[in-house]
Amino acid sequence: SQTIHQWPATLVQPVGSPLSLECTVEGTSNPNLYWYRQAAGRGLQLLFYSVGIGQISSEVPQNLSASRPQDRQFILSSKKLLLSDSGFYLCAWSKQGNQPQHFGDGTRLSIL
Amino acid sequence: AQSVTQLDSQVPVFEEAPVELRCNYSSSVSVYLFWYVQYPNQGLQLLLKYLSGSTLVKGINGFEAEFNKSQTSFHLRKPSVHISDTAEYFCAVVTGNQFYFGTGTSLTVIP
Repeated sequence: SQTIHQWPATLVQPVGSPLSLECTVEGTSNPNLYWYRQAAGRGLQLLFYSVGIGQISSEVPQNLSASRPQDRQFILSSKKLLLSDSGFYLCAWSKQGNQPQHFGDGTRLSIL
Repeated sequence: AQSVTQLDSQVPVFEEAPVELRCNYSSSVSVYLFWYVQYPNQGLQLLLKYLSGSTLVKGINGFEAEFNKSQTSFHLRKPSVHISDTAEYFCAVVTGNQFYFGTGTSLTVIP
């Protein structure tokens, strides 16, 4: 069966520090991969999605970036975090764009 | 573009009472429909999906939803809720290969 792993589960970072969140999927090949942010008490905001290695689409301009160095690895990064980057970050995968997305357990990011 | 509306941001309901969480979408072109549940500090878990076939879809935890094409709705129902159903519920619509999520409904089950 397929599984998705996200880490770390929680992270506290100072303003201006770099960020790297990692997501890996097991049990499938060539998945679509997604990064979402969920602000407190609000819905999901799609940040990035990828349909293949090295293929990244950005939905919202910001100081975050994403990379897909391997087929089942998706990384969310920032060179300098802002206070507004606080939130709950979720990684998801799907077999195709019109198939259900399956989510990781999320990373709670707090910026001080 | 597609839009997904969950009119009720918060729904309180007493334990063992029935509940309906509403979801409407804008475009009537071919769609796939999903409901997800999110417990505190966790990711989203797929409750049920409509891809084709019967318009009444049964999911996990006793939930069901009905696809109504003429009303462009996909409301989620449960005949008798439990305390453990307290969570955030998201409706999602896929048009083409684009996924659209609603803003969520917070269900609180009162003992």
